[in-house]
Amino acid sequence: SAVISQKPSRDICQRGTSLTIQCQVDSQVTMMFWYRQQPGQSLTLIATANQGSEATYESGFVIDKFPISRPNLTFSTLTVSNMSPEDSSIYLCSAHLDRPQYGYTFGSGTRLTVV
Amino acid sequence: AQSVTQLGSHVSVSEGALVLLRCNYSSSVPPYLFWYVQYPNQGLQLLLKYTSAATLVKGINGFEAEFKKSETSFHLTKPSAHMSDAAEYFCAVSERNAGNMLTFGGGTRLMVKP
Repeated sequence: SAVISQKPSRDICQRGTSLTIQCQVDSQVTMMFWYRQQPGQSLTLIATANQGSEATYESGFVIDKFPISRPNLTFSTLTVSNMSPEDSSIYLCSAHLDRPQYGYTFGSGTRLTVV
Repeated sequence: AQSVTQLGSHVSVSEGALVLLRCNYSSSVPPYLFWYVQYPNQGLQLLLKYTSAATLVKGINGFEAEFKKSETSFHLTKPSAHMSDAAEYFCAVSERNAGNMLTFGGGTRLMVKP
């Protein structure tokens, strides 16, 4: 299975600022996914990112708030823009190798605290 | 749309006791099914997956799960709990189309008492 390196692992940010989270996969993957895990909650999909096209956002998430880049088949970034304390969460990226039945690999997560 | 229900947000067992974490899904076509574990301050680790082969699936750390189509269930079990099993467990489903994302259940926090 693929291995995903995600950074930063944690950050404390001032409200109104932006943070960019990076995920690097050790093999080429077609689709990458970004999830949010609010404190004590399950994972909610933010968007799906294909290389060479705009990300597809789930209901409740918009590109202006969570812009995503996918410049190649091994890398993606998620930016949390104009942060507020409500954005304090764990953000995780995920990918699967070509076929979903192989399972999805996750990055170790970014624990974001907005003060 | 897919949905996943995990009965019991918190489950407490004694060390050495049976672990049973429940997961039910809603889908007219059996999806791919997964169990993930999340230890404190860590990402998600795949425990096991069902992809239409054997209905009883064995995973890591002594866990197994049985797919029951008639009950739309994929419950996770372990015969004897260990203190190191204390973690958050997530059941997830994916439709049988390439590229579909995972839909997660609400999670179950497993606590193991000495």
